[in-house]
Amino acid sequence: AQSVTQPDIHITVSEGASLELRCNYSYGATPYLFWYVQSPGQGLQLLLKYFSGDTLVQGIKGFEAEFKRSQSSFNLRKPSVHWSDAAEYFCAVGAYNTDKLIFGTGTRLQVFP
Amino acid sequence: DVKVTQSSRYLVKRTGEKVFLECVQDMDHENMFWYRQDPGLGLRLIYFSYDVKMKEKGDIPEGYSVSREKKERFSLILESASTNQTSMYLCASSSGTANTEAFFGQGTRLTVV
Repeated sequence: AQSVTQPDIHITVSEGASLELRCNYSYGATPYLFWYVQSPGQGLQLLLKYFSGDTLVQGIKGFEAEFKRSQSSFNLRKPSVHWSDAAEYFCAVGAYNTDKLIFGTGTRLQVFP
Repeated sequence: DVKVTQSSRYLVKRTGEKVFLECVQDMDHENMFWYRQDPGLGLRLIYFSYDVKMKEKGDIPEGYSVSREKKERFSLILESASTNQTSMYLCASSSGTANTEAFFGQGTRLTVV
């Protein structure tokens, strides 16, 4: 069965530091992969997505993610974190042959000044 | 600007009450979803609709039902609310093209007392 694992429940970084949030998936074929962000009290907003092609994808707010098939990973990165990036981040994979998304359990990012 | 609107941001209901959560999208999307979000568990799919009057159970449908009489509206119904249904409920929609991004509402935080 398809699944998504986000191994880090909570990450704390200083403003200006680099960031990497981990995501591993279990999927039998080429996956459709997504990263969403949820600010406090809000719904989810799409940061970026990977369907095919270039394995390094650029998203909004200066985020990027790299698809690595050999590691079954789709890690999210940002070179310099801003205080406004504090939020919860969810990785998701498109379920096979349906339009449903399977979400990871999320990583809460805290940013210190 | 695309929009998914949930009728209430906060609701407080009593145990045993019948509860309706409403969601409307203005993007003419075929697919609509109801998720439940709990700390440490991420987003879990309750029900999914891929067309008017069509529905499919998600991972945790027990205690819930749904209604989709019009394309733009998807309702989640708690037939007899219980305290373990206290949670954040998120509605989402996506087009019928496989694995396009889902757009989310701002969520309804339901408390059952």
